[in-house]
Amino acid sequence: DTAVSQTPKYLVTQMGNDKSIKCEQNLGHDTMYWYKQDSKKFLKIMFSYNNKELIINETVPNRFSPKSPDKAHLNLHINSLELGDSAVYFCASTRGGANTGELFFGEGSRLTVL
Amino acid sequence: GQQLNQSPQSMFIQEGEDVSMNCTSSSIFNTWLWYKQDPGEGPVLLIALYKAGELTSNGRLTAQFGITRKDSFLNISASIPSDVGIYFCAGMKYGNKLVFGAGTILRVKS
Repeated sequence: DTAVSQTPKYLVTQMGNDKSIKCEQNLGHDTMYWYKQDSKKFLKIMFSYNNKELIINETVPNRFSPKSPDKAHLNLHINSLELGDSAVYFCASTRGGANTGELFFGEGSRLTVL
Repeated sequence: GQQLNQSPQSMFIQEGEDVSMNCTSSSIFNTWLWYKQDPGEGPVLLIALYKAGELTSNGRLTAQFGITRKDSFLNISASIPSDVGIYFCAGMKYGNKLVFGAGTILRVKS
């Protein structure tokens, strides 16, 4: 069983469309994240949820809206997609309480906006 | 904001050689971590360091938490082809978010 699974793995879409990426973890972790990896491979945190509550919200356009229906799921919805949104989006999770920085990442969702 | 300077940016080495990479910061961190990302995959944790001066090994990998708490290094001994990938350092302060370095791309020539 995959610990952190994301769907879809690849997404190609037109500018202006709305799309969602889903993430599920079966590790029993309390904290989940979305990271964006750009073409230069730089990893930047976007959001973090702890037990369904938003705890980190970096400077991300409000076209990006995370949703956590329960602590095992964190989805990312993107409205009005732009060319600059093309990137690989990684979901990650870690146990709650003392945050050790020990993240478990999903395989990534490569988004290409045409 | 917090920034980690990771070097070198890339390395192309011969199989069997030892590899060394490091990460420095102007800020103090309480935790240093090293991750590896294989092509088409997400980063995977290699080593976590929680105490200044700590030296930790994981197989052929050795990492150290600098005594000043502002740096860390990762060594890989006797490199093999499957060591190729991107190595990221990451630092964290208590109750704060993880900050990643820009990565070191490792290529191994067999």
